[in-house]
Amino acid sequence: KQEVTQIPAALSVPEGENLVLNCSFTDSAIYNLQWFRQDPGKGLTSLLLIQSSQREQTSGRLNASLDKSSGRSTLYIAASQPGDSATYLCAVHGSSNTGKLIFGQGTTLQVKP
Amino acid sequence: SAVISQKPSRDICQRGTSLTIQCQVDSQVTMMFWYRQQPGQSLTLIATANQGSEATYESGFVIDKFPISRPNLTFSTLTVSNMSPEDSSIYLCSVEDSLGGTQYFGPGTRLLVL
Repeated sequence: KQEVTQIPAALSVPEGENLVLNCSFTDSAIYNLQWFRQDPGKGLTSLLLIQSSQREQTSGRLNASLDKSSGRSTLYIAASQPGDSATYLCAVHGSSNTGKLIFGQGTTLQVKP
Repeated sequence: SAVISQKPSRDICQRGTSLTIQCQVDSQVTMMFWYRQQPGQSLTLIATANQGSEATYESGFVIDKFPISRPNLTFSTLTVSNMSPEDSSIYLCSVEDSLGGTQYFGPGTRLLVL
């Protein structure tokens, strides 16, 4: 059974810092991995999708890496801003391609001005 | 990317009643998904809805409690039946991009059952 874990559960940093959010999964046979952002009381916004054959994806100040063999992904946020404050969720899409995503518990990030 | 809307955005309901949540997508999609996010928790898949066939439910979720309709390729409904306070959650629908596998989510329906 696939399990997804995110560390840390919460993180508070001053504006301008570079930071790394971690995601680990127990079954390396994945189809892809997706990072989302969720603002309080809102739905999910897709940030980055990494296919199982890829090592990393970049979008603006965000960089996500994937090490399938070790069951790990990281989301790197460069030069953090107060607007980056949100909960970041990692979700794994299993190899059966059913569409089902298995989510981690999320990391709640606060960037202080 | 897909644009997804949900109705209602939020509701407060009495226990024992039912609520139907609507999900509308701006493009035709094969599969639509319904997730639940309980307070302080992450998302859990309830069921997958394919047009023209019965929804596929995940372990712990049953059709009598969460009946789903999928009348066409752009629309689906989820009903939360005979509600109890434990059903208080955010319910989200999502679709998958057939080209790259990215999933997009609606804004969610916040349900409070008293």
